[in-house]
Amino acid sequence: DVKVTQSSRYLVKRTGEKVFLECVQDMDHENMFWYRQDPGLGLRLIYFSYDVKMKEKGDIPEGYSVSREKKERFSLILESTSTNQTSMYLCASSSLTGAMLETQYFGPGTRLLVL
Amino acid sequence: GQNIDQPTEMTATEGAIVQINCTYQTSGFNGLFWYQQHAGEAPTFLSYNVLDGLEEKGRFSSFLSRSKGYSYLLLKELQMKDSASYLCAVRPYGQNFVFGPGTRLSVLP
Repeated sequence: DVKVTQSSRYLVKRTGEKVFLECVQDMDHENMFWYRQDPGLGLRLIYFSYDVKMKEKGDIPEGYSVSREKKERFSLILESTSTNQTSMYLCASSSLTGAMLETQYFGPGTRLLVL
Repeated sequence: GQNIDQPTEMTATEGAIVQINCTYQTSGFNGLFWYQQHAGEAPTFLSYNVLDGLEEKGRFSSFLSRSKGYSYLLLKELQMKDSASYLCAVRPYGQNFVFGPGTRLSVLP
């Protein structure tokens, strides 16, 4: 079974603080993604990565950055949090090969509250 | 741009059958995916359709018609634990995944 883990389930931060969310997958997947999910807006892609040290902007990259130094890890960084970044953050990974090509497997999510 | 439409909410009775529809506008894609998401949890993969037709997996089946831009998820013998949101998603050629807004299904006793 694919396993995607995220460093925290719940976080509470104050405006302006830095947040570092880490995601680890154990299936040697090439692709990794960061989404946020908000009521009424669905899943929105923040950043994604197709390989180590490679990153691409998604639909809503503003206010975020990412890092992928190792194949199994993909980190999302919020340099200076704002209240509109209160959300559920979901990491996902997928493979470029195999029968279930590009099926995305999600981590448990991190619920971030910015006060 | 790409657009996926799903009903916002549905209600059904335990033991019944429910069909959740998904319509999309996209020029081409590799496959259509269905995910289940319980409240406060992450989406989990349910099914994947590449070709037109019905894919059956236990109590769940998914159907795709590319010519009609239409898919549905069929849930049989509904159980209380099936109460969740169901997300339809496609990956258009050369683009990122596009997720629908989700359909919140409530199963009543």
